[in-house]
Amino acid sequence: EAGVTQFPSHSVIEKGQTVTLRCDPISGHDNLYWYRRVMGKEIKFLLHFVKESKQDESGMPNNRFLAERTGGTYSTLKVQPAELEDSGVYFCASSQLPRQTSGANVLTFGAGSRLTVL
Amino acid sequence: GESVGLHLPTLSVQEGDNSIINCAYSNSASDYFIWYKQESGKGPQFIIDIRSNMDKRQGQRVTVLLNKTVKHLSLQIAATQPGDSAVYFCAESSSGYSTLTFGKGTMLLVSP
Repeated sequence: EAGVTQFPSHSVIEKGQTVTLRCDPISGHDNLYWYRRVMGKEIKFLLHFVKESKQDESGMPNNRFLAERTGGTYSTLKVQPAELEDSGVYFCASSQLPRQTSGANVLTFGAGSRLTVL
Repeated sequence: GESVGLHLPTLSVQEGDNSIINCAYSNSASDYFIWYKQESGKGPQFIIDIRSNMDKRQGQRVTVLLNKTVKHLSLQIAATQPGDSAVYFCAESSSGYSTLTFGKGTMLLVSP
């Protein structure tokens, strides 16, 4: 089974430019999450999709960030315009909807997309 | 790749020693607690989880202890190996498909 794949693995852009990160979740996983880790700190939640719908976007920093998941398959996260503080590693994760609500939500993470804004 | 250990608490052990990594959590309503391991250049990888109605769970070479009274979680790794070197994150969640909230992480360095 293919894991969660993210592209690009590393992107270097200048302040003010636009970057689009892509995530392909595990096939059949309806839950898709975006997380970010900045400067070696903790991993912060950004957004959660259930299929194509945004379930929770409370972690999105501001309106420069736009996430989409058209068709409920892959997802993109666009940063426009990028700022210096957006640098970090952006992780995507996916999970199945649990068959019973008593199950733990075990996320499978991708390797991350490292964004460097100069 | 990413310097995963910058600004993190670090635990240094010798190969073969037992390691204990600690985590304090904040949400007393969380149902599940999960440990993830992140190696440099990779995404976090699931290790073990424990439900809030348990106080101990064992896996292969790993044991997780949960103390709800003081909101404390620990991960014990037996006979630590160089391959265990990574950043370890605890995470908490409610049941269902709710969001994971991660702790700050601890870097484990294992010397041969």
